[in-house]
Amino acid sequence: QSALTQPASVSGSPGQSITISCTGTSSDVGGYNLVSWYQQHPDKAPKLMICEDNKRPSGVSSRFSGSKSGNTASLTISGLQAEDEADYYCCSYARGSIVIFGGGTKVTVL
Amino acid sequence: QLQLQESGPGLVKPSETLSLTCSVSGGSISSGDYYWAWIRQPPGEGLEWIGCVHYTGRAYYITSLKSRVTISVDTSSNQFSLRLTSVTAADTAVFYCARHLVSGDAFDVWGEGTKVTVSS
Repeated sequence: QSALTQPASVSGSPGQSITISCTGTSSDVGGYNLVSWYQQHPDKAPKLMICEDNKRPSGVSSRFSGSKSGNTASLTISGLQAEDEADYYCCSYARGSIVIFGGGTKVTVL
Repeated sequence: QLQLQESGPGLVKPSETLSLTCSVSGGSISSGDYYWAWIRQPPGEGLEWIGCVHYTGRAYYITSLKSRVTISVDTSSNQFSLRLTSVTAADTAVFYCARHLVSGDAFDVWGEGTKVTVSS
């Protein structure tokens, strides 16, 4: 099973909105409503930001939102802030009871 | 509040077996609502799911490591473990343990991670 495809980097200015895409197949992203997104700051453990395609866990800022169309999921960060600068990973359940991560996207706040 | 803590040797020789333990505190590992997972991150690279185990002992593994990996659970100690045999330098990584929601398939609680280097 191949890793999900994410852009290597995305950047934006403070206050702007950015979107990170995550492309898979009908055997993973497109086949189940089970995409999650994680934020990872340098030398820190990942943090769950979005689950089940578009659900925000308690305590996660409403500036983070998830969506999906076909085999591509997306994470949008609105009102970009300096603290949002981090690596972001998508993740999906896949056929065969396995879990696949994307390659990761580095978000830079200009 | 649930906390996870990885423990184990930071250095393993090539061809030997890597063994790590994750201690769960602030909650019981014996809940049907969760799996307990291992995820690794090689230096400068992305996250890779290794596998997970239910408190009943049922386990799932990534296909590429299936022949070398075992994840087990010890409910009496509230711990679960990772065993990876015949390691090479390519297995050098930070290893994270995490709680995996059965409903939702997301990792909602993570350990801080432990770095394991494979080198002679």
